[in-house]
Parts: sequence; structure tokens; C-alpha cells
Amino acid sequence: SYVLTQSPSVSVAPGETARIPCGGDNIGSKSVHWYQQKPGQAPVLLIYQDTNRPSVVPERFTGANSGNTATLTITGVEAGDEADYYCQVRDSSDDHQVFGGGTKLTVL
Amino acid sequence: EVHLVASGGGLVQPGGSLRLSCVVSGFIFRNFDMQWVRQVPGKGLEWVSGIGQSGDTYYAGSVKGRFTISRENAKNSLYLQMDSLRAGDTALYYCARGGRFSWIDYWGQGILVTVSS
Repeated sequence: SYVLTQSPSVSVAPGETARIPCGGDNIGSKSVHWYQQKPGQAPVLLIYQDTNRPSVVPERFTGANSGNTATLTITGVEAGDEADYYCQVRDSSDDHQVFGGGTKLTVL
Repeated sequence: EVHLVASGGGLVQPGGSLRLSCVVSGFIFRNFDMQWVRQVPGKGLEWVSGIGQSGDTYYAGSVKGRFTISRENAKNSLYLQMDSLRAGDTALYYCARGGRFSWIDYWGQGILVTVSS
């Protein structure tokens, strides 16, 4: 089965840029989606199909996908961005949805 | 406005059964695929099962043969019948709108299932 690998944690200072990688075998050939989950809340869609952003999501959030790594980038990080971030793809070999283990973003 | 409200969670003994329901509003339910995703408190997200508009179903290996997903379009409702429950099934269960080939764009509030003696 397909595996997505995420770093457990990333820390950045306010105003800096956070990059959250999501690794997978030839993930660049797949469509990657990203979710943000704040404590005690349900996840929220952040990025879909690698780079697309729902209208309610700020432009500070961008996605990229190439080779074996997809990356969520948050520019001008704010305290309110502190959350867990998950990547997701569809594994076509067994028709399953797969989530990465999640990355906790800490704003210093 | 889209809403997904889950119910039916609770405490059940190992080997027991539970049926989760999810009532939706704010969109034409029959036109969308739906999913169940679970999360052990403090841990990551785990996909459980999905159902297409036409009723086609698919399951994670960890629940296949024990869980059954279904839908009742006339009642705007999604269900998850969970049988032969194990301690490892203890989690917060989210119903979600999203397709087999697409992303999840709306999530319910989550309903807690605890399997313990």
C-alpha cells in the first residue's frame, strides 16, 4: 500500500515561511490534497489537486508537487496558523485514500 | 451552508456493534460521494470507507468485512455499520463529503466511538 511520510513537527517564527513536506514514491504523478486541523476541531481543506486553494483560504498558503515530494508552503506565518497539517492522496492500486501522518506547526 | 452532523457514537464492548449516522444539509446529497475518516485522539487521520453516488463502496483493509457503509438519499443520510468492534477501532469518526477521485471539501464534527470492556 502507498505510504505518505511527513515530518512530525516544524517550527517557525511569526512572519517567516514554513515549508511542510509530504514524501511518497513518485508522488508527483498523483493529485495531493492538504488539510489543516486545529485542536478540538475537524480538519479543513487547505489545498486541492496540488496547487488549488478554496476561495476562503488565504493566498499565504500554497502547494507544489514534484518528484517524490509535495510541499505545503505558508508565507508570513501567523500565530493562528499553529495547527496540524495533513497531506492526502488516492492510492490507485487498491482504491484507498491515504493520509500522511501529519505535521504539527509550532509558531515560536 | 453545508452541514454534516454525525450521531450514534458511544461506548461498546469488544465484539459489539454500533451504527453511526450522518445527516447532511446544504447540498444535493445524492450528487456527491461520501467518506468516513477516523482519528484516534492525539493521533493522525485514517481513512475508513467511502461510497459513491451510485452506491459503490470501498473500505480500508483494517475494517473490510467488519464495517458496512451505506446511504439513504431520501433522508440525506450516510451510515456506517460497525460490527465485531475491537479496541483499535476506538476513535473520533468523521463523516465527510468527498469522492473516490477527489478531495474532501467538508467534514462533520466527529463522533466518538469507544470500544472497551
